[in-house]
Amino acid sequence: AQSVTQPDIHITVSEGASLELRCNYSYGATPYLFWYVQSPGQGLQLLLKYFSGDTLVQGIKGFEAEFKRSQSSFNLRKPSVHWSDAAEYFCAVGASGGYNKLIFGAGTRLAVHP
Amino acid sequence: EPEVTQTPSHQVTQMGQEVILRCVPISNHLYFYWYRQILGQKVEFLVSFYNNEISEKSEIFDDQFSVERPDGSNFTLKIRSTKLEDSAMYFCASKGDSQNSPLHFGNGTRLTVT
Repeated sequence: AQSVTQPDIHITVSEGASLELRCNYSYGATPYLFWYVQSPGQGLQLLLKYFSGDTLVQGIKGFEAEFKRSQSSFNLRKPSVHWSDAAEYFCAVGASGGYNKLIFGAGTRLAVHP
Repeated sequence: EPEVTQTPSHQVTQMGQEVILRCVPISNHLYFYWYRQILGQKVEFLVSFYNNEISEKSEIFDDQFSVERPDGSNFTLKIRSTKLEDSAMYFCASKGDSQNSPLHFGNGTRLTVT
């Protein structure tokens, strides 16, 4: 069965520090992978997506993620975190094509210290 | 940029009452979804809808739930007789017909059943 694991429930970093949020997935075929961000009281905003090709994908707000098939991982990174990045981050996996139902991880809540 | 809009942002209802959550997907999108997020838990798939019919539904989407696209712009989720455990944030999403189109989510409706 498809599943997504985000091992870190909470992460706290200092402003300006680098960030890596972990995501591991279980999927029988080539996955479509996504990172979404949810600010308090807001909906889910797409940060970036991986469908095929270059395994390092760039997203909005300076985020990037790297697909590593051998590790079944799709970790999200940012070289320098801003206070406005404090939010909850969700990794998701989807089937290719069609209606592309998404399976979400449990999320990682990011706190940023000044 | 086009957005998925959901109304109301917050709905309070008594147990046993019917509720209808409303969504206006992005206008040229063809695939529609409802997800829910119980407080503190992961985002869960409820149902997908394409070509005026349900394409997939989860175990959560039992006979108490129904979806409808009553006109060319709205997509609704109805819960016939709400239970306390239906309290959650409900997200609508839509997707274009391109294989690589991501899901775009609305800001959600917070449903509180008392």
